[in-house]
Amino acid sequence: AQSVTQLGSHVSVSEGALVLLRCNYSSSVPPYLFWYVQYPNQGLQLLLKYTTGATLVKGINGFEAEFKKSETSFHLTKPSAHMSDAAEYFCAVRLNTGNQFYFGTGTSLTVIP
Amino acid sequence: SAVISQKPSRDICQRGTSLTIQCQVDSQVTMMFWYRQQPGQSLTLIATANQGSEATYESGFVIDKFPISRPNLTFSTLTVSNMSPEDSSIYLCSLLRVAGGGDTQYFGPGTRLTVL
Repeated sequence: AQSVTQLGSHVSVSEGALVLLRCNYSSSVPPYLFWYVQYPNQGLQLLLKYTTGATLVKGINGFEAEFKKSETSFHLTKPSAHMSDAAEYFCAVRLNTGNQFYFGTGTSLTVIP
Repeated sequence: SAVISQKPSRDICQRGTSLTIQCQVDSQVTMMFWYRQQPGQSLTLIATANQGSEATYESGFVIDKFPISRPNLTFSTLTVSNMSPEDSSIYLCSLLRVAGGGDTQYFGPGTRLTVL
């Protein structure tokens, strides 16, 4: 079975500091990879995705993620945190066969003024 | 992207009653899904809503408890039956948008259910 691991259920950063949210997956073949953000009392919004091609993917709101096959990782970063980035972030994977999405347990990001 | 609406956005219900959640999408899609997100947890897939046939349920979820309808390619409902406090969750519908090189799942805003 597939699994998605998000290290750190809670991450706190100062406003303006680097944001790094970690995601590792278990798969024998490279899956499709996604990051979603969930703001308080809202549904999930797609931040970015990796399917094929360039391993550094840019998303909305200044976020980006890099697919590293050797490390089976897809960590999410943003150079400078903003107060509005405070939210829950979910990493998800989907194999290139089938429609099942596997979600990580989420990382709650707090931005300290 | 996709425009997905859910009704109601939230509800507070009594134990033993049932609630039907509606999900409307802005264009025809083949695959729609229903998820549950319990407090402080990640998403758990309840079922895939198939148009014109019975939904496909994941392990631990049954049709008697979570009946699903999918009358057409833009609409689905999920009913939470005979509710108990353990059913208090956010219920999310989603769709799978097919695109060459990477199908993407989009989510509705969720229905926040509290069962007393």
